Amino acid sequence: AQSVTQPDIHITVSEGASLELRCNYSYGATPYLFWYVQSPGQGLQLLLKYFSGDTLVQGIKGFEAEFKRSQSSFNLRKPSVHWSDAAEYFCAVVRGGGYNKLIFGAGTRLAVHP
Amino acid sequence: ETGVTQTPRHLVMGMTNKKSLKCEQHLGHNAMYWYKQSAKKPLELMFVYNFKEQTENNSVPSRFSPECPNSSHLFLHLHTLQPEDSALYLCASSQEPGTAPTNYGYTFGSGTRLTVV
Repeated sequence: AQSVTQPDIHITVSEGASLELRCNYSYGATPYLFWYVQSPGQGLQLLLKYFSGDTLVQGIKGFEAEFKRSQSSFNLRKPSVHWSDAAEYFCAVVRGGGYNKLIFGAGTRLAVHP
Repeated sequence: ETGVTQTPRHLVMGMTNKKSLKCEQHLGHNAMYWYKQSAKKPLELMFVYNFKEQTENNSVPSRFSPECPNSSHLFLHLHTLQPEDSALYLCASSQEPGTAPTNYGYTFGSGTRLTVV
C-alpha cells in the first residue's frame, strides 16, 4: 500500500536560512507527488506537484522540490526562508489505479526565528 | 479565496445539539471529500463522494452523516457528538477519477473549527 513518511515533526530555522523538508514515499510505480502548506487555522494550499519529466519542480512562494526515484524521496526546499513561511507542510502521494485519492504524510511544522 | 467555501468557520455545540457543516465549490469538480484534522494527528479522510455518490466511508461513526445533493455541495450533519470530535473539519474537491494526471490534486476549503462542549 502507498504511504508517505515525513521524518521531521518539527523544524526550526532562522529567517534567511535555507530549508529542506524531507518526504519519503512507498509506491511501486511512478508516483504522483504533492506538497501542501497549511497556515494556522486555515485549509491546505497546494505548493507544487510532480507527475513526470523534469525531477526538479518549481512551486509557489519560492519553493521547489526534487524527485529522486533511487531514494524514494520528494524533498521540499527553499533557499531563503521568510518569517511568513512558518506553517505546517504536508507531503502527499496519489493512490494508484487512476483514482485521484491523496495519501498524506503526518506533516512537518516549521518555525522561523527572526 | 480558494474556490472551496466552508461555513461556518467556527462552531461550538453541545453534545445533544444537531448542526450541519456546509461546503461549496464552483470549480467544476466532480469529487468532494471530508477530512478531520485533530491536534497532533494526521489528516483523517472521512468520506469521499464522486458524482454525488458516496464511494468511501472510512469507518466514521454514525453521529457524522454526510450528504451530497449535487456535485457542487457537500454537507456534514452532526448529532450527539463527543468532546473528542472537536477538530478542524476540512472539505476538499477534485476532478473525477481517471482524469489526466495534470488535474490530480485537491483544492481545500479553509475548514470549520468545531468545538464540542
